Amino acid sequence: AQKVTQAQTEISVVEKEDVTLDCVYETRDTTYYLFWYKQPPSGELVFLIRRNSFDEQNEISGRYSWNFQKSTSSFNFTITASQVVDSAVYFCALSGPVTGANNLFFGTGTRLTVIP
Amino acid sequence: DGGITQSPKYLFRKEGQNVTLSCEQNLNHDAMYWYRQDPGQGLRLIYYSQIVNDFQKGDIAEGYSVSREKKESFPLTVTSAQKNPTAFYLCASISGLAGGPGTQYFGPGTRLTVL
Repeated sequence: AQKVTQAQTEISVVEKEDVTLDCVYETRDTTYYLFWYKQPPSGELVFLIRRNSFDEQNEISGRYSWNFQKSTSSFNFTITASQVVDSAVYFCALSGPVTGANNLFFGTGTRLTVIP
Repeated sequence: DGGITQSPKYLFRKEGQNVTLSCEQNLNHDAMYWYRQDPGQGLRLIYYSQIVNDFQKGDIAEGYSVSREKKESFPLTVTSAQKNPTAFYLCASISGLAGGPGTQYFGPGTRLTVL
C-alpha cells in the first residue's frame, strides 16, 4: 500500500523566516516518484518538483530546497526567507512505477501562512 | 496557450440531479485523471483514463461516471447516487508513460455544491 503522511496540518511563520514542511511516505515499490505541489487560494495545484527513487541528491531552486532521504522515507521541503506569496497549502504526493496507473497518492497537505 | 480547462468554476446542484463537469486539455497528453478534494484532506482519485475509449475506477468511483471519446476531453458526471457530492473537483493530465510517470498538470478545479 502507498501512503503519504504530512503531520503538520498548519504552520505560521513571520515573513523572512525559514520553514520546513515534512513529508513521510510508505511504499513497497522499489521504483517510485515523489512530488510537491502548491495550492494557492485559487485552488489550482501548481507543480513544484518531481524526484525519482534513485536520485537522492538534494535539490535547490531559488528559495526552495528539497531533502530526499530514503533511509527515513522522507522528502522534506524547505522555504528559505519566506514571503507572503508563499502562503498556500502544500501537498506531497507519491506515484508508483511506470507499469502502474501513475495516479498520485496525496498527503493531507500543510497549510502555510506567512505573516507580514 | 497550452493547458487544462475545467468548467464551470462553480456549480450548484439540487439533490437528485446528475451534473457533468467538463475537463479539456490541449497538451496532447495521453492520460487524464479526476480527483476529489474535501476540506482538510488530500486529493482522492475518482477515475482515470490512459487512452481514448478506456478508463478505470479509482479509489472512490461510486456515484460517478466518465467517458473518454476524445483525447482532449474527459468529462465527469456526478450522479444522484453519490451520497455526498459537495467537494472541489480537480482534473489532471499527464504526458506519455514511457520512461516513467511525467508530471501531472492540474486544471483550475470545479467547486460543486449540493443544495
